[in-house]
Amino acid sequence: ETGVTQTPRHLVMGMTNKKSLKCEQHLGHNAMYWYKQSAKKPLELMFVYNFKEQTENNSVPSRFSPECPNSSHLFLHLHTLQPEDSALYLCASSQAQREGRLDTGELFFGEGSRLTVL
Amino acid sequence: AQSVTQLDSHVSVSEGTPVLLRCNYSSSYSPSLFWYVQHPNKGLQLLLKYTSAATLVKGINGFEAEFKKSETSFHLTKPSAHMSDAAEYFCVVSDLPRSGAGSYQLTFGKGTKLSVIP
Repeated sequence: ETGVTQTPRHLVMGMTNKKSLKCEQHLGHNAMYWYKQSAKKPLELMFVYNFKEQTENNSVPSRFSPECPNSSHLFLHLHTLQPEDSALYLCASSQAQREGRLDTGELFFGEGSRLTVL
Repeated sequence: AQSVTQLDSHVSVSEGTPVLLRCNYSSSYSPSLFWYVQHPNKGLQLLLKYTSAATLVKGINGFEAEFKKSETSFHLTKPSAHMSDAAEYFCVVSDLPRSGAGSYQLTFGKGTKLSVIP
């Protein structure tokens, strides 16, 4: 496999369930991202991990809990979600910028996990 | 601070006619600029990128964009639309990480939905 792979592609859960979204990248990148895409809203950055360390939490509610065990894997643990959390959750990866090194900032996206909260 | 404005939320063209999707940006630094495309229920795919080299950038599927610093614009064009071009298009600006190292700070536009009429 190549690129960024997300599983599951579709998930339906009740508000009391606990589930997880998984993302795996095979590009040798060191930065990974979770984005939320809701209808009629711009993409919202949720979390960023850089060399396995969380470097950004964009005021995301605690019912979303990220985990990055290594540079290739990223999880989003979900519990007691609300119906308004229904959205497409996109994972992305990139090269991490290092001091003095030029890079383009290109992100590589997975196909997303479509979450429906009942 | 950086921002992106996509001037049209929806563009409709006939098959075989030119496509113009407009994007204006603001950035404190010398940004990288990108256009991504998203087909229904899919992730985002990079169309093209500008990284301070040639101002006219050619991408995949016959798309190109011109970086105009004086106008702070990065409009996406294609000479002849194809039915398969129907999708949503996102203009993205990327500044360097705040500390000079780490993950990229991307700002997405709200998207332009392109419809192609047979």
